Amino acid sequence: SAVISQKPSRDICQRGTSLTIQCQVDSQVTMMFWYRQQPGQSLTLIATANQGSEATYESGFVIDKFPISRPNLTFSTLTVSNMSPEDSSIYLCSVVLAGSEQYFGPGTRLTVT
Amino acid sequence: SQELEQSPQSLIVQEGKNLTINCTSSKTLYGLYWYKQKYGEGLIFLMMLQKGGEEKSHEKITAKLDEKKQQSSLHITASQPSHAGIYLCGADKAGWYGGSQGNLIFGKGTKLSVKP
Repeated sequence: SAVISQKPSRDICQRGTSLTIQCQVDSQVTMMFWYRQQPGQSLTLIATANQGSEATYESGFVIDKFPISRPNLTFSTLTVSNMSPEDSSIYLCSVVLAGSEQYFGPGTRLTVT
Repeated sequence: SQELEQSPQSLIVQEGKNLTINCTSSKTLYGLYWYKQKYGEGLIFLMMLQKGGEEKSHEKITAKLDEKKQQSSLHITASQPSHAGIYLCGADKAGWYGGSQGNLIFGKGTKLSVKP
């Protein structure tokens, strides 16, 4: 299994500002992902962040809005830039382990006012 | 595109009762995941099923994947208040090229309440 921690756990931000979310895993993993869960909705993949390569973004998500860093095999950050109320969501990082078990972090609950 | 349909949408059971949640896919499932989510929090991994006919158990929770790999069920025996939450089934959206690619689609979830 994997133990994933995220910081911050929640935040309230002003429109137009940026927030960086950190994700730390207790073991080295190749595949790391960032998901978003909007209020009342299911999870949607934002991007895949593999160490040593540029993040790959899903349709509807762009690097300027959601820049991602993956400096090593246990850590990643997601920045939500120039925030608007529509960005209010839970942001979750996720990892896939050998054997294909996929684990999620506890989430960062973001409210944009 | 693949869709996952969960039933029921919500469930209220008396503590001690058994219950079953179903997840039906529009396409063959190559990897089926079950998670539990408490309101506003992250997903807790329960089980992953890959093979047709596979069944896994953890504590009082049992999950099965049917032989045709298009339907999965999650069964809770002797439910407790700690089982309350939203249960989500997920499947790899991109296919299963020797393993999960990590891009999961999810059902809409089943909200379980357990009355003491």
